[in-house]
Amino acid sequence: GENVEQHPSTLSVQEGDSAVIKCTYSDSASNYFPWYKQELGKGPQLIIDIRSNVGEKKDQRIAVTLNKTAKHFSLHITETQPEDSAVYFCAASNPNNAGNMLTFGGGTRLMVKP
Amino acid sequence: DSGVTQTPKHLITATGQRVTLRCSPRSGDLSVYWYQQSLDQGLQFLIQYYNGEERAKGNILERFSAQQFPDLHSELNLSSLELGDSALYFCASSVTSTYNEQFFGPGTRLTVL
Repeated sequence: GENVEQHPSTLSVQEGDSAVIKCTYSDSASNYFPWYKQELGKGPQLIIDIRSNVGEKKDQRIAVTLNKTAKHFSLHITETQPEDSAVYFCAASNPNNAGNMLTFGGGTRLMVKP
Repeated sequence: DSGVTQTPKHLITATGQRVTLRCSPRSGDLSVYWYQQSLDQGLQFLIQYYNGEERAKGNILERFSAQQFPDLHSELNLSSLELGDSALYFCASSVTSTYNEQFFGPGTRLTVL
């Protein structure tokens, strides 16, 4: 089955700096890669996603890049703010008629210091 | 707010007991997913239903079962509970069984004493 590795497990940055979180996946059939933000006491919130036919996607201060050949994808947050502090999860899936399960990475705790 | 609702928010019970967790998907979503989040195992997929039928199964224990009802709400039943079942249980929903985006509910925190 699919295996997703995520690094780093913790990341501390100064407000205004950029943050980068990296994930690798094992199943070359995976074609959908979402990123979730989880704040304390809440459920994971979908913040951005990318499909395998796209190399990069941007939404305001957040961007995701995908390298299918190397089987890795990354989340980039620019101009970080204290409210960006949370745990971020990457995931991979191959939606098909057999189902649409997400396989998650281990998570990255991002701390943005004011 | 994702539009997915889960009840109860917290559940405290004893070993050997049985509990039922409930989920209502976003309006219009036909597929429901259950995930377990624990400190040692992270976020793990348990099971998926689409329009009342089981669609995919993950590492769900035999002591656990789920169903999706005609009104599309879903219930996750956990029986013969063990201390290790203490975790956060999340429900997610999507439009169809293969639609990419999954939206998560706020979760149910289960504590087994």
